[in-house]
Amino acid sequence: QQQVKQSPQSLIVQKGGISIINCAYENTAFDYFPWYQQFPGKGPALLIAIRPDVSEKKEGRFTISFNKSAKQFSLHIMDSQPGDSATYFCAASHSGNTPLVFGKGTRLSVIA
Amino acid sequence: DVKVTQSSRYLVKRTGEKVFLECVQDMDHENMFWYRQDPGLGLRLIYFSYDVKMKEKGDIPEGYSVSREKKERFSLILESASTNQTSMYLCASNQGPGMNTEAFFGQGTRLTVV
Repeated sequence: QQQVKQSPQSLIVQKGGISIINCAYENTAFDYFPWYQQFPGKGPALLIAIRPDVSEKKEGRFTISFNKSAKQFSLHIMDSQPGDSATYFCAASHSGNTPLVFGKGTRLSVIA
Repeated sequence: DVKVTQSSRYLVKRTGEKVFLECVQDMDHENMFWYRQDPGLGLRLIYFSYDVKMKEKGDIPEGYSVSREKKERFSLILESASTNQTSMYLCASNQGPGMNTEAFFGQGTRLTVV
């Protein structure tokens, strides 16, 4: 049973455009929702994370939107750049000894 | 600079061999994890540990075992390697108690079983 569903699987965006990746979760006990960015040949690295007490978190060009009632959260990349081309993973976990559950990933390509 | 170090970037092993993947973290983290990454399947949890000598099965533990004798080191063992264990293996750690803090990943070990 997949606890975090991520879409789309791949995404091509023009330079300067907005990239949007969506995730949906099932476990209402989740209280931590990070996004990880992975470049080829590297391990994933934390990009931005949100907890359910806020509906939005912004860090530079990256924004997480969180909808608790719909059990959905999304990553928006504004003014997308070729350097943003990477694989993005959403994840979720909760306090206690339950590890992060990852979505299947989105391969983003930003073309000039 | 925080670090999770995996002992090998690339490994080629023969079917039936016993394979050891080593991971060391320098952040004094309680929690350590082993994931495998396959195209289209994302990151799948094999085993995790929230304390020395403690281990818990993840989603796909079959064919694997782990060892955590010291806080900073978490080893993944393939008891008898098979071709379907060809994959990218990622080690990670995070600060406890609990699991809802930033996880730091190693660079991965790409294992090929022939």
